[in-house]
Amino acid sequence: EDQVTQSPEALRLQEGESSSLNCSYTVSGLRGLFWYRQDPGKGPEFLFTLYSAGEEKEKERLKATLTKKESFLHITAPKPEDSATYLCAVPGAASKLTFGTGTRLQVTL
Amino acid sequence: DTGVSQDPRHKITKRGQNVTFRCDPISEHNRLYWYRQTLGQGPEFLTYFQNEAQLEKSRLLSDRFSAERPKGSFSTLEIQRTEQGDSAMYLCASSPKGGGNQPQHFGDGTRLSIL
Repeated sequence: EDQVTQSPEALRLQEGESSSLNCSYTVSGLRGLFWYRQDPGKGPEFLFTLYSAGEEKEKERLKATLTKKESFLHITAPKPEDSATYLCAVPGAASKLTFGTGTRLQVTL
Repeated sequence: DTGVSQDPRHKITKRGQNVTFRCDPISEHNRLYWYRQTLGQGPEFLTYFQNEAQLEKSRLLSDRFSAERPKGSFSTLEIQRTEQGDSAMYLCASSPKGGGNQPQHFGDGTRLSIL
């Protein structure tokens, strides 16, 4: 059974203070790894897909990287509007996604 | 791209009542998924449609739950004889053809509260 573990559970940063979120996974065969952002009361918003170890994707202040066992979401010089829960997920059979429990990020002034 | 639409956004009902939720996927997407999310957890897979065919159901989906996708367009999720444990956010997602490496796009969910 696919498993996804995210750490830390919560992270508080000051504006401009860079950091990384971790997503460790155990799958029978990697079909990709997805990162989502979720704001309170909203559905997950798609950010990135990573397909193979060594791949990197960037969007504004976010950069996602992938190894054979884990993925990192690097946040460079975050702003308060980056505050959200960040979820990672892996697709399994029939494309159903297995999600981690997420990292709640709070960025303060 | 109008996105995935879910209705209603909120539903409050008494224990034992039946409820039905609707999901309208992105128009060109042939795959549709239902997930359930409780506070502090990631979404959990419930069921999956490719066009009108329901291809997989999670063990989480008890006999009180039923989902349909007539004509491969919108989908409905019905919960019969609701229980306190059914309180959650019910999320719908859709994706185009292409297998598991196509990202799923989510609606904003229906939040169900059981009194």
